[in-house]
Amino acid sequence: DQQVKQNSPSLSVQEGRISILNCDYTNSMFDYFLWYKKYPAEGPTFLISISSIKDKNEDGRFTVFLNKSAKHLSLHIVPSQPGDSAVYFCAASYAPNTGNQFYFGTGTSLTVIP
Amino acid sequence: GAVVSQHPSRVICKSGTSVKIECRSLDFQATTMFWYRQFPKQSLMLMATSNEGSKATYEQGVEKDKFLINHASLTLSTLTVTSAHPEDSSFYICSARKVSGDEQFFGPGTRLTVL
Repeated sequence: DQQVKQNSPSLSVQEGRISILNCDYTNSMFDYFLWYKKYPAEGPTFLISISSIKDKNEDGRFTVFLNKSAKHLSLHIVPSQPGDSAVYFCAASYAPNTGNQFYFGTGTSLTVIP
Repeated sequence: GAVVSQHPSRVICKSGTSVKIECRSLDFQATTMFWYRQFPKQSLMLMATSNEGSKATYEQGVEKDKFLINHASLTLSTLTVTSAHPEDSSFYICSARKVSGDEQFFGPGTRLTVL
């Protein structure tokens, strides 16, 4: 039962344009969300997070938007750079600081074309 | 920083042998460590959660006698794949959560190939 879903397995974007990666979840108990970036044969690297009390969090070129009513979050990368090419996973968890597990989506492979 | 290392990075073994993978938090203490496996083009699948000094909690469908987890200290957790078979071939990734904090810091992963 996939509680976190990334319906687009791949995305190609021209350098300099905006990349929008989407993530949907089914469990309304989730209240903490993260995006990870992963290169082949490496572990995921934390990118940005958002708690359910917010609807937007921005860090440099990366912005995460959360729509709780739609159970949807998205990651915007602008401007996109070739080095952003990687697989992006969204993850969700219950109440932070309790050691609870993260549930991961299946990932979206982003290719930024120079 | 928050660096997590895994050793070995790659291992090839014969069917029936056991393989131990180490996960270390190098510059912080981790009360909780997680073990994931990832098949090609699939999501990270949580296998088990280990807390220092206590037994690991395994996810449904993960055989605890096959995937032995030991979290002996606040900086080290080990995963032992016992009597490995070709279907155990996968990419195994550990992560560690700081004593205080929400994020998980991931190791670089271990590619296991069972012949």
